Amino acid sequence: KQEVTQIPAALSVPEGENLVLNCSFTDSAIYNLQWFRQDPGKGLTSLLLIQSSQREQTSGRLNASLDKSSGRSTLYIAASQPGDSATYLCAVGGSQGNLIFGKGTKLSVKP
Amino acid sequence: EAQVTQNPRYLITVTGKKLTVTCSQNMNHEYMSWYRQDPGLGLRQIYYSMNVEVTDKGDVPEGYKVSRKEKRNFPLILESPSPNQTSLYFCASSIRGALSSSYNSPLHFGNGTRLTVT
Repeated sequence: KQEVTQIPAALSVPEGENLVLNCSFTDSAIYNLQWFRQDPGKGLTSLLLIQSSQREQTSGRLNASLDKSSGRSTLYIAASQPGDSATYLCAVGGSQGNLIFGKGTKLSVKP
Repeated sequence: EAQVTQNPRYLITVTGKKLTVTCSQNMNHEYMSWYRQDPGLGLRQIYYSMNVEVTDKGDVPEGYKVSRKEKRNFPLILESPSPNQTSLYFCASSIRGALSSSYNSPLHFGNGTRLTVT
């Protein structure tokens, strides 16, 4: 059964720092991997989606990489800002449409 | 505005009283799904639907029913709610399900329904 782990569970950094969030999964037979952001009391917002055939995706200050063979993905955030404070979740998609989420990394960016 | 709409946002009910949480999307998406979010357990998939009249169980389907009679709607039905179904529920949709390789298909989420069963 697919398991998705995100480390660390919480992270606090000063504004301007570059940071990396980690996501690992146990079964490499994935269809895609998505990174989401969740603000308190809100739904999830999709940040980046990487298909299984891709190695990375970029959007603005965000870059996500995927290494299927090692079961890892990273989300790189450049020049962090207080507005980046949120919980970041990764989710692994199977070919049948099922989706398994990690428990998230709660990020706090201090001014 | 493209969106996924869930109703109600908040619901308090009693054990055993049937309820339905509605979900509607206006983006002509084929794929829709339901999740529950619980502290310490994260988001878990309840049911998903690849298209009209096609539904499948996720990780935690027990105690829930769904139907997909039309493309835009995917209601979540709790026939006999119990206190362990107290949770925050999210509906989501995307253009295509995972079987399609034609699109990047990010999930669009609704704002959630907070359900309390006493």
